[in-house]
Amino acid sequence: NAGVTQTPKFQVLKTGQSMTLQCAQDMNHNSMYWYRQDPGMGLRLIYYSASEGTTDKGEVPNGYNVSRLNKREFSLRLESAAPSQTSVYFCAFSGSSNQPQHFGDGTRLSIL
Amino acid sequence: AQTVTQSQPEMSVQEAETVTLSCTYDTSESNYYLFWYKQPPSRQMILVIRQEAYKQQNATENRFSVNFQKAAKSFSLKISDSQLGDTAMYFCAFFPPYNNNDMRFGAGTRLTVKP
Repeated sequence: NAGVTQTPKFQVLKTGQSMTLQCAQDMNHNSMYWYRQDPGMGLRLIYYSASEGTTDKGEVPNGYNVSRLNKREFSLRLESAAPSQTSVYFCAFSGSSNQPQHFGDGTRLSIL
Repeated sequence: AQTVTQSQPEMSVQEAETVTLSCTYDTSESNYYLFWYKQPPSRQMILVIRQEAYKQQNATENRFSVNFQKAAKSFSLKISDSQLGDTAMYFCAFFPPYNNNDMRFGAGTRLTVKP
């Protein structure tokens, strides 16, 4: 997707392992978001960042940490992966909270 | 907390016909934004259309239009002249302007356009 790079695209982890999902946008926008998508539940907000250096919890933050290193990058970390965190993860960005969000291509994460 | 309900898990339509996807939401806010996103099998999330709650006029983007009924808290999407490329999951989304934590997506409607 134009403007946002999300890595990796696929990952398989064992329970208890840790990993970081990376997201970078090149549109110089302030707001960035992390979602998870599960069957039958749409997208649910994990964390968001309204600007560099600030982060806030969304609807389902438990088990995750985030870091807004600079204006471009917003990473999502699973410290000790659990099977319940098997999902597709999307990063998104927008100019502000009332503007449409633009999404990355998603990461399919499986935890065994 | 806000909720968004898409009551039609699956729908199908013949090519060139019109289909309407329903979405209702629950909020006590008076100012907010509503969106429809499309997710084709490629998994990309693509913005279809946007509606601002303070605007009475229904938004339109080419073959896509909405019927926004603020009092009824309803936000349906009409797709005219359906095309095979419209086959996708469609998500309705509610965005409050000042509290990102209250953003909500519906569970989605899987639309299949048949030739």
